[in-house]
Amino acid sequence: AQSVTQLDSQVPVFEEAPVELRCNYSSSVSVYLFWYVQYPNQGLQLLLKYLSGSTLVKGINGFEAEFNKSQTSFHLRKPSVHISDTAEYFCAVSLITGGGNKLTFGTGTQLKVEL
Amino acid sequence: DGGITQSPKYLFRKEGQNVTLSCEQNLNHDAMYWYRQDPGQGLRLIYYSQIVNDFQKGDIAEGYSVSREKKESFPLTVTSAQKNPTAFYLCASSIGSVNYGYTFGSGTRLTVV
Repeated sequence: AQSVTQLDSQVPVFEEAPVELRCNYSSSVSVYLFWYVQYPNQGLQLLLKYLSGSTLVKGINGFEAEFNKSQTSFHLRKPSVHISDTAEYFCAVSLITGGGNKLTFGTGTQLKVEL
Repeated sequence: DGGITQSPKYLFRKEGQNVTLSCEQNLNHDAMYWYRQDPGQGLRLIYYSQIVNDFQKGDIAEGYSVSREKKESFPLTVTSAQKNPTAFYLCASSIGSVNYGYTFGSGTRLTVV
């Protein structure tokens, strides 16, 4: 079975500073990878996804992520954060085949952007 | 506009009562999902349905039940057998293939007192 580890439960950062949110996955077969964002008391919104091809994936709101197969990682980055980026971020994985079209989520990372 | 509607947004129930959470989508998506969210635990899959009249248990199905009689609707019943039902519940749908990602509803916060 696949699993996702988000090592940092909280990441504080000053506005306009860069940020990296870490995600590692475990799977014996090939996977799709996703990052979602959740604002308080709302559902999740897709930020970006890696399906195949270029390992650097660009998403909405200036975020990007890099797939590293050898390190089984899919870290999320933004070069300069804004107050409005304060939210919880979830990494998710799905098996390409045999996964029943299900997403397995990590435990989330709370990004807090401070002035 | 197309989307997923979860209702109500907040729900209070007494311990021992069953309660049903509504999830309706007008996206014409085949697959629908229910997740439970607790602080520090991320999202855990309760039930999912790939097509009408068919559904499968997820990782934490005990104490929950679902039905999928219509493509648009996937209600979740939290039964009295669920030992710790207070949580934030999220419904999602997808076009059928997960590589398109999920569309989420805005959630229902259930509090059992």
